[in-house]
Amino acid sequence: SQQGEEDPQALSIQEGENATMNCSYKTSINNLQWYRQNSGRGLVHLILIRSNEREKHSGRLRVTLDTSKKSSSLLITASRAADTASYFCATDADSNYQLIWGAGTKLIIKP
Amino acid sequence: NAGVMQNPRHLVRRRGQEARLRCSPMKGHSHVYWYRQLPEEGLKFMVYLQKENIIDESGMPKERFSAEFPKEGPSILRIQQVVRGDSAAYFCASSPRPLNTGELFFGEGSRLTVL
Repeated sequence: SQQGEEDPQALSIQEGENATMNCSYKTSINNLQWYRQNSGRGLVHLILIRSNEREKHSGRLRVTLDTSKKSSSLLITASRAADTASYFCATDADSNYQLIWGAGTKLIIKP
Repeated sequence: NAGVMQNPRHLVRRRGQEARLRCSPMKGHSHVYWYRQLPEEGLKFMVYLQKENIIDESGMPKERFSAEFPKEGPSILRIQQVVRGDSAAYFCASSPRPLNTGELFFGEGSRLTVL
């Protein structure tokens, strides 16, 4: 079964609005990561948040982690057309080697 | 510092042929991971290698698929006797340390189409 599950599956908003994506997972983790994938391209790392952290910021990105609810959210503020992409969360679960990926949220920013 | 390099970017094979995908990790990275991605889906782990060693191949089908990361040269993912269901994007990622300590750096992927 999927460890990380993002919702919504797709999100379409106007440029300048904020976009929030959520990720839920099932087992205990050491860290959770968010990646972006532009259409037809590889994945790019955005943020890693450790299990003992609750919130992390990077530019217009804000990630929160609630280990009691086994969930994380990614907030993109003041969205831009260039933010159009799929966003994936990944957790390390119980393995040192495997990241478990969700199916992603497809974000479309309308100009 | 060049990123993770994958080639070919696109590969077309007929059923029964062999597909060979190459990945050169970032300089200084000794940990290589191969993932498979179907359209509109997330990544599925296939195999984790360090130089000359397969550490975890639990995500890779036991038949027709093999992977290596030789002392010299790129990592190779080899698919023998391809079938239509092998059509997917195959991504390679590398890291300087074991996975649970940091991020992965991805290549642009190799898109395999089996006719």
